[in-house]
Amino acid sequence: DQQVKQNSPSLSVQEGRISILNCDYTNSMFDYFLWYKKYPAEGPTFLISISSIKDKNEDGRFTVFLNKSAKHLSLHIVPSQPGDSAVYFCAASSGGNEKLTFGTGTRLTIIP
Amino acid sequence: EAGVAQSPRYKIIEKRQSVAFWCNPISGHATLYWYQQILGQGPKLLIQFQNNGVVDDSQLPKDRFSAERLKGVDSTLKIQPAKLEDSAVYLCASSLFLGGSTGELFFGEGSRLTVL
Repeated sequence: DQQVKQNSPSLSVQEGRISILNCDYTNSMFDYFLWYKKYPAEGPTFLISISSIKDKNEDGRFTVFLNKSAKHLSLHIVPSQPGDSAVYFCAASSGGNEKLTFGTGTRLTIIP
Repeated sequence: EAGVAQSPRYKIIEKRQSVAFWCNPISGHATLYWYQQILGQGPKLLIQFQNNGVVDDSQLPKDRFSAERLKGVDSTLKIQPAKLEDSAVYLCASSLFLGGSTGELFFGEGSRLTVL
């Protein structure tokens, strides 16, 4: 039962353009959502998060949007830079518990 | 600030052999997690400790996997006997406390296991 889904395994974007990564979830108890970034041979690193009481959170070039009715969130990166090339994981938790349920990841490639 | 340390980085064993992975979390972090990441999948939680007590081990295959966190600091994850499907990266993560936090976990670089 995949409670957090990232349906696009890969995405290629031209440098300077906007990258949009999508994530869907099925568990309505999830109330906190996070994005992690992972480079090869490294552990995931926290990127940005959003609480279910908000519909948008912005941090520099990164913005996360949450649509609770659609159980959908997205990560926008603008402008995209070569260093953004990595695998991005969407994750969710509920009830203040830090136990995270991860999606399968989307490999983002920024084309110079 | 030192990050989460894991060892070994790589391990190759034959099926039915045993293996152990070690994790040293960030100093002061009460909560420690072991995740399993199979190629092409997202990390899956195996076990969650707070200090030296187990909070959640519902997804740990207890017939072959065991984990301990003595003195609430370092942790060891053991697999005995290993199966082919255990080939994965084992990620250790830590966080400051359980409940009501931002949910930010700090991950180590992982231990890649190959079972032949």
